[in-house]
Amino acid sequence: DTEVTQTPKHLVMGMTNKKSLKCEQHMGHRAMYWYKQKAKKPPELMFVYSYEKLSINESVPSRFSPECPNSSLLNLHLHALQPEDSALYLCASSRVVGQGGTEAFFGQGTRLTVV
Amino acid sequence: QKEVEQNSGPLSVPEGAIASLNCTYSDRGSQSFFWYRQYSGKSPELIMFIYSNGDKEDGRFTAQLNKASQYVSLLIRDSQPSDSATYLCAVANQAGTALIFGKGTTLSVSS
Repeated sequence: DTEVTQTPKHLVMGMTNKKSLKCEQHMGHRAMYWYKQKAKKPPELMFVYSYEKLSINESVPSRFSPECPNSSLLNLHLHALQPEDSALYLCASSRVVGQGGTEAFFGQGTRLTVV
Repeated sequence: QKEVEQNSGPLSVPEGAIASLNCTYSDRGSQSFFWYRQYSGKSPELIMFIYSNGDKEDGRFTAQLNKASQYVSLLIRDSQPSDSATYLCAVANQAGTALIFGKGTTLSVSS
């Protein structure tokens, strides 16, 4: 099983709404990530959780709030977003393999549109 | 600032040719290197990862790593039109606490 599952696949929300994106993996990976990807751009790192603790926050606005309830789940809570936050939101997980190697996989993403 | 550099392309090759994609990185502490393929509107798909100097082959794909030169490449043999996509190079540190992407190279394989 090399699957990272994200829900929902598509989300349209208003600027006053509160919504959450969910990510789940059962590969035993202890690092999980949120990325944001705009059209024709590479994924941009937002947050990293390592062993359920937030280890990296790439200066993301507070309207994005990550949560890692357990080693298999990662959430991204959204509140008061702006239209420019519309993007593909990708979850990934990784584990260390071999000597210094890291294996990482992405979910299918949530296509978010803020109206 | 840790950086991953790729030529954005587009790289155009005829069907059956070898496509060569290159990537350089700035952080000498980097341990693991990834190549992802991304079709328009889809999420990145892992093609290969490599963490030892030298070559790693998987089917039509060969990843090459030279840590001294801070250079990683991907060769695609017998290129097919279905290989047309954006190829993203990504670099992770040993702890796997950061996975940083290059801007991607767009590959176009013509039949």
